[in-house]
Amino acid sequence: DSGVTQTPKHLITATGQRVTLRCSPRSGDLSVYWYQQSLDQGLQFLIQYYNGEERAKGNILERFSAQQFPDLHSELNLSSLELGDSALYFCASSVGPSGGINEQFFGPGTRLTVL
Amino acid sequence: DQQVKQNSPSLSVQEGRISILNCDYTNSMFDYFLWYKKYPAEGPTFLISISSIKDKNEDGRFTVFLNKSAKHLSLHIVPSQPGDSAVYFCAASAVRGNQFYFGTGTSLTVIP
Repeated sequence: DSGVTQTPKHLITATGQRVTLRCSPRSGDLSVYWYQQSLDQGLQFLIQYYNGEERAKGNILERFSAQQFPDLHSELNLSSLELGDSALYFCASSVGPSGGINEQFFGPGTRLTVL
Repeated sequence: DQQVKQNSPSLSVQEGRISILNCDYTNSMFDYFLWYKKYPAEGPTFLISISSIKDKNEDGRFTVFLNKSAKHLSLHIVPSQPGDSAVYFCAASAVRGNQFYFGTGTSLTVIP
């Protein structure tokens, strides 16, 4: 158990809809990262928050947004969903702000299916 | 464009033998590399890392080798055990960068 929790575990929705994925980092970790893993793809970095502020942005679509709240949990909002958004979405956390150095601890993921 | 590539989607090895998982990268600015292991229904967990100032790093049964000139790294598991059966991801970053780039993973099956 990494200490990172993600809810829900599974989500099935229709095209055009909007969903929210939730992540609670390990106790003491200030950074939260979001990744997308599509079929036969590696983990694609989406976005990082550090202590409530956006720290780094990767390949995140404009239809997607995220935020980190004062209690450090984070939410990833996906809107106008398309079939291609079906994927595993992982949240990870780390103590420090440097996404290229700090070891990241991953949650179990949320599997999103868009029908 | 995939900057970190794992060209073998799967690998099967007999228990007790060596498992060698390979990873290639294209960005010469990468100077920090990690391997993560992932079991089904779980998130990836950190396994071992290496920085570009080294060419080898060992941790028990796991050794990572880095060949900077070839932009290639490999993970050796000796001896392989059935519990090592998992998907292995390599990841790379530039230390001054702000993200890891992950490969597509290699599914290792260790046959008892």
